[in-house]
Amino acid sequence: SFVLTQPPSVSVVPGNTARITCGGNNIGSKSVHWYQQKPGQAPVLVIYYDNDRPSGIPERFSGSNSGNTATLTISRVEAGDEADYYCQVWDSSNYHVVFGGGTKLTVL
Amino acid sequence: QLQLQESGPGLLKPSETLSLTCTVSGGSISGSTYYWGWIRQPPGKGLEWIGTIDYSGSTYYNPSLKSRVTISVDTSNNQFSLNLNSVTAADTAVYFCARALPSATGINWFDPWGKGTLVTVSS
Repeated sequence: SFVLTQPPSVSVVPGNTARITCGGNNIGSKSVHWYQQKPGQAPVLVIYYDNDRPSGIPERFSGSNSGNTATLTISRVEAGDEADYYCQVWDSSNYHVVFGGGTKLTVL
Repeated sequence: QLQLQESGPGLLKPSETLSLTCTVSGGSISGSTYYWGWIRQPPGKGLEWIGTIDYSGSTYYNPSLKSRVTISVDTSNNQFSLNLNSVTAADTAVYFCARALPSATGINWFDPWGKGTLVTVSS
């Protein structure tokens, strides 16, 4: 089945740009969605269809998807962005949802 | 504003059946174009999709759980439910329900999510 690979952790200084990758075989042919999860809370959708933002999500959040890698980019990182981030796709070959293993973003 | 709320027992013994209900408010399941799903998260671990259902009862299940899972919908009460049988300690997790947007071939994203409910399996 389709596998999504994320780095376990990413660290960034406030004000800088954080990039969180999500790797998968030809993931560029799929739609990738991203979630933010803070401790003790439910996940929140931050990016859908590779690079669309739901209402209420800051423009600082953006996404890209090409080849074997999708990327969530957070510009001008703030302390409040510290959270776990998960990518997700639909595996149409096997008819099931796949989540990446998650990346813990630490704001130094 | 659509809201989802999980409910059900928080403690089970091994071999018992986990039964959870998700109550939807602020919108109707009946006749909706959306899917409705369950996702779980073991303590300190990542998200695992369990399955999804639409208002007509059409389902998709995680192949690794399919033999033990049943998801059903109750449009009259605007609820959908999860049954997971023969539970073990490995099924201990926070269980979330969520609305899913359909795609041409299945499911797109999940939004919004319920707050989640912790289910512990222990003898």
